[in-house]
Amino acid sequence: RKEVEQDPGPFNVPEGATVAFNCTYSNSASQSFFWYRQDCRKEPKLLMSVYSSGNEDGRFTAQLNRASQYISLLIRDSKLSDSATYLCVVNRGFYNTDKLIFGTGTRLQVFP
Amino acid sequence: EAGVTQFPSHSVIEKGQTVTLRCDPISGHDNLYWYRRVMGKEIKFLLHFVKESKQDESGMPNNRFLAERTGGTYSTLKVQPAELEDSGVYFCASSQEETYPYEQYFGPGTRLTVT
Repeated sequence: RKEVEQDPGPFNVPEGATVAFNCTYSNSASQSFFWYRQDCRKEPKLLMSVYSSGNEDGRFTAQLNRASQYISLLIRDSKLSDSATYLCVVNRGFYNTDKLIFGTGTRLQVFP
Repeated sequence: EAGVTQFPSHSVIEKGQTVTLRCDPISGHDNLYWYRRVMGKEIKFLLHFVKESKQDESGMPNNRFLAERTGGTYSTLKVQPAELEDSGVYFCASSQEETYPYEQYFGPGTRLTVT
């Protein structure tokens, strides 16, 4: 069983739609949580960290449920430029100091 | 400020040959990580340097892989001899410990094809 599980998609949504991605992790020792974005044939880039209280950055909202070991990402008012693969990532260290454990990614395609 | 750089961007070698990948982290970053993505799989950790010391090399697949970071600056990852299953994209990342936003910054990757 993978340590971080994600639905690979693809999710095909029209511009303006709201889309949600979910992720589960199996290691309860995980301390920090992230969503990374990866464009085709590019490197992963940090989209946002995920906190237990939930956090929002513009159109993006991330939630963490430690009891259920579940992480989510909500994208509102989708743009064409949101098309990418979204990687759910956990880290056993505080402050992102340990190795990153990646999910396989969820592919999002936003169409006009 | 320059980001993480990796060289070469692509490498095609034959099985049994040797390849050396290079990573230059962001200046001043003590932490340097190597990751790999093989086709169809998730990105996986290979090893972690803190300055010139190997902090964690639990992800190194076997002794055909050798990583170095002499002087705590750039790092090299040598594969000798290369096998077909070594094909994939090798990413390097760097970070400065306990510095907000605690991000590991990734380089563009080296795409390795072993034929």
